[in-house]
Amino acid sequence: KAGVTQTPRYLIKTRGQQVTLSCSPISGHRSVSWYQQTPGQGLQFLFEYFSETQRNKGNFPGRFSGRQFSNSRSEMNVSTLELGDSALYLCASSSLRGTNEQFFGPGTRLTVL
Amino acid sequence: GQQLNQSPQSMFIQEGEDVSMNCTSSSIFNTWLWYKQDPGEGPVLLIALYKAGELTSNGRLTAQFGITRKDSFLNISASIPSDVGIYFCAGHPDDGNSGGSNYKLTFGKGTLLTVNP
Repeated sequence: KAGVTQTPRYLIKTRGQQVTLSCSPISGHRSVSWYQQTPGQGLQFLFEYFSETQRNKGNFPGRFSGRQFSNSRSEMNVSTLELGDSALYLCASSSLRGTNEQFFGPGTRLTVL
Repeated sequence: GQQLNQSPQSMFIQEGEDVSMNCTSSSIFNTWLWYKQDPGEGPVLLIALYKAGELTSNGRLTAQFGITRKDSFLNISASIPSDVGIYFCAGHPDDGNSGGSNYKLTFGKGTLLTVNP
C-alpha cells in the first residue's frame, strides 16, 4: 500500500505571495491532518479534515486554510506569506478504525524569502 | 494548550549501548505514540500505546504507557548507527470524548540521538 504523498517537496516563495500544498493520504484513510514543523516550535497541529469537513483546528491565523476533497486528498493554503511561515509542512493520514495512529508524508519544505 | 515535556533533548552514545528517553505531561493522555524522524523526511511511527501500563516492543524498541497516564518512555537496546535521528513522543489528551474523534496530536520537542560507531 502506498504511503502518504505530498507535493511539492520543496517550495521557495517571497513575502506576500500565497502557496498551496497538496497531500494524498494512504488509500482508505479518510482523516487528514496538517502540521507545521519549525526548529523553534517543533511540530504544531494546524487542522484536521474528515469527510471534507474540518473537525479540529490549531492556533494558527486565518491565513492558513485547508480543504479536503471527496477522494480524501487534501490541500492547505497559506496566503500573504510571512518570513516566519518558513517551515516543513507535514500531512498525516489516519484510518479512524479504532486507533489514533497517524502516518506522515515526507513533508513540503517551504522557504519564504 | 497541552504541553509534552520530552527528555533528554539530545543524547550522544556509543554503538551497542542502550538508550532511554521519556515524555511527561501535566494532564492525562489516552494514547501515546513514538515516532522517529530522519533529516528531510516525515516522522515514522515506531510504537503506539493505548492502555495505562501497556508495554509494547518493536524489535529493539520497547515503550510503556505510564500507569498515571501522564507519561511514557521509549527504550532502545543495543543501539546501531542507523538509530540516529530525532525521536518524538506524541499523544492524544483525554478530553473526555470517549468516541475518540479528536485526532489532534500533541508532540514533544524531540530527542536527538547520535550513535558513535
